[in-house]
Amino acid sequence: GQQVMQIPQYQHVQEGEDFTTYCNSSTTLSNIQWYKQRPGGHPVFLIQLVKSGEVKKQKRLTFQFGEAKKNSSLHITATQTTDVGTYFCAGLDSGYALNFGKGTSLLVTP
Amino acid sequence: EAQVTQNPRYLITVTGKKLTVTCSQNMNHEYMSWYRQDPGLGLRQIYYSMNVEVTDKGDVPEGYKVSRKEKRNFPLILESPSPNQTSLYFCASSLWTGAFFGQGTRLTVV
Repeated sequence: GQQVMQIPQYQHVQEGEDFTTYCNSSTTLSNIQWYKQRPGGHPVFLIQLVKSGEVKKQKRLTFQFGEAKKNSSLHITATQTTDVGTYFCAGLDSGYALNFGKGTSLLVTP
Repeated sequence: EAQVTQNPRYLITVTGKKLTVTCSQNMNHEYMSWYRQDPGLGLRQIYYSMNVEVTDKGDVPEGYKVSRKEKRNFPLILESPSPNQTSLYFCASSLWTGAFFGQGTRLTVV
């Protein structure tokens, strides 16, 4: 079945540094979704990418979907302490199951 | 307010004592699902439902049951809980345009 791998597992940055997490799928995806989970909270949907090569921005967050629709990345520019949390990618293939990566936990120190 | 409501939020129970975790959504979504979240393993899907009376297994269905008698409700049933089902459980609704997650239920089986 489809597997979604996400790296790194953890990232510790100083406030103001950039951060990137990468997601790779074993199969071609119909879309990929990104979620953020704050410590003690629940996953919150951030964005969905559907088209090959798609790039979307949300303020300091930039999301990319690979040309082959098998990989994706989330880049945060100039991190802030409010960015702390775990970021998950989730791939949707032709079926009805959203397969989550294991997430990247981001720690930002002032 | 659009939301997914899970109850209870916290539950400690004993091995073998049947329990039900309720999930309700007010967004008229056809698709609902259950996940468990364990350290280092990310979010794994237990069961999902495409619509009323339509359910299917996810990646880790053993030891769980679900039902979908009404569109808004999707309870998770543990007929005979075991300690390896100690976990954080999330209900979610919607799929193709992003999932809405409930607040989570932290279950401990002793």
